[in-house]
This record gives sequence, C-alpha cells and structure tokens, in this order.
Amino acid sequence: ILNVEQSPQSLHVQEGDSTNFTCSFPSSNFYALHWYRWETAKSPEALFVMTLNGDEKKKGRISATLNTKEGYSYLYIKGSQPEDSATYLCAFESNAGNMLTFGGGTRLMVKP
Amino acid sequence: GAGVSQSPSNKVTEKGKDVELRCDPISGHTALYWYRQSLGQGLEFLIYFQGNSAPDKSGLPSDRFSAERTGGSVSTLTIQRTQQEDSAVYLCASSSGQGIYEQYFGPGTRLTVT
Repeated sequence: ILNVEQSPQSLHVQEGDSTNFTCSFPSSNFYALHWYRWETAKSPEALFVMTLNGDEKKKGRISATLNTKEGYSYLYIKGSQPEDSATYLCAFESNAGNMLTFGGGTRLMVKP
Repeated sequence: GAGVSQSPSNKVTEKGKDVELRCDPISGHTALYWYRQSLGQGLEFLIYFQGNSAPDKSGLPSDRFSAERTGGSVSTLTIQRTQQEDSAVYLCASSSGQGIYEQYFGPGTRLTVT
C-alpha cells in the first residue's frame, strides 16, 4: 500500500496571504507527482505534473517544487484570493503503473 | 473541445440493487481510469484501461464491481448487489496514453445506497 500524505488537512487564510502545503510520497519507484485543484461541485483540475528531482513549476500565483530523493513536494500560493478556495490534491504515480495514488488533500479557504 | 462526461450525475439506489455508471472520455484518449471518493476518504483508484490491453483491476474492492470499455471509448462501471459502503462519488478520468500525461477528470457520479 502506497502512503501519500498531505498536510495540513485544512487551512484558513486571509486574502493576500501567501501559503504552502506539503505532500509526502514514497521515494522508491517514483515516476511522477501530480497536483490537482478540486473545487466543490466541479471536476479535479490538473495543475502540475512533475517528474524530475529539483523540478519547479509555476502557473500564475501557484508554484510547486519536487524532491524525489526525500519524497516530498510543496505547493505554494502567493497572495491568496477567495477564488483559490478549493481542495488541493497531490497524487503519486509509480513506475509500476499509470494509476494515481492520491493524498487526502488540503482544503484551503481564503477569506475576503 | 468536450471534456470527460459522466452519467448520471446523481444516483440513489436501494441496497441490493445493481447500478451502472457511465463515462465518456475525451475523444482520442486511450487511457481511462475509474476512482472513487467515499465520505471522509481520499480518492481511491479502482480500475485502469489502456488501449486494447487487459485492464488493471487491482483497485476493485470486491467482485461485485466490474467495468468494461467498449470500442476503446465509453466505459461502464457496474456495481452488483449494492451495499451502503458503496456510497461515494465515482470519478472517471482519461489521458492521452501511457507515460507522463495529465489525467482529465469528469464531474463524477454521486452514488447513494439507502
């Protein structure tokens, strides 16, 4: 059983605050690490797919880093906005198959 | 273009009845996945189809669950003799193929077994 953990489980921030969350995953059999954003009543939306140790990806105010040797990834949101409120999921893809093993998610709530 | 679609969006069924959930992947996507999220749980892998290869059924929780993919496109997830613990949101995703690809998710089917 693969263990993918996310912390914190939930986070309340004020508009304009910057924030970050953690995803930890197995350091063996690594193939890719995915980040998704899931808003209530919508489909999970892919943010990043990361494959290389030391990789850093950015999309607007959101960025992510990857450390495959120690098995963690950080997602950063700069200057949070209310529309950033969602559950952020990370998912581990092993080299043994293309299915994703998801963490429990971090639920972010941004107050105006 | 059209994304992944699923039907029905909501399904309420009585314990013991069979249900079928449908997924229409993005046209041209060869890989199709089923996941579910039970209350208070994370997203859990169920089954994976890739092209004409035999599906990876390693995530199916019991033999009451089965899935098929006809013509390499539409997929149906069937749950026989539903139990209350089957209540969950069932999500389908598709991707361009093998390798490192984003998976595109449908809106899900919320199944409630009473």
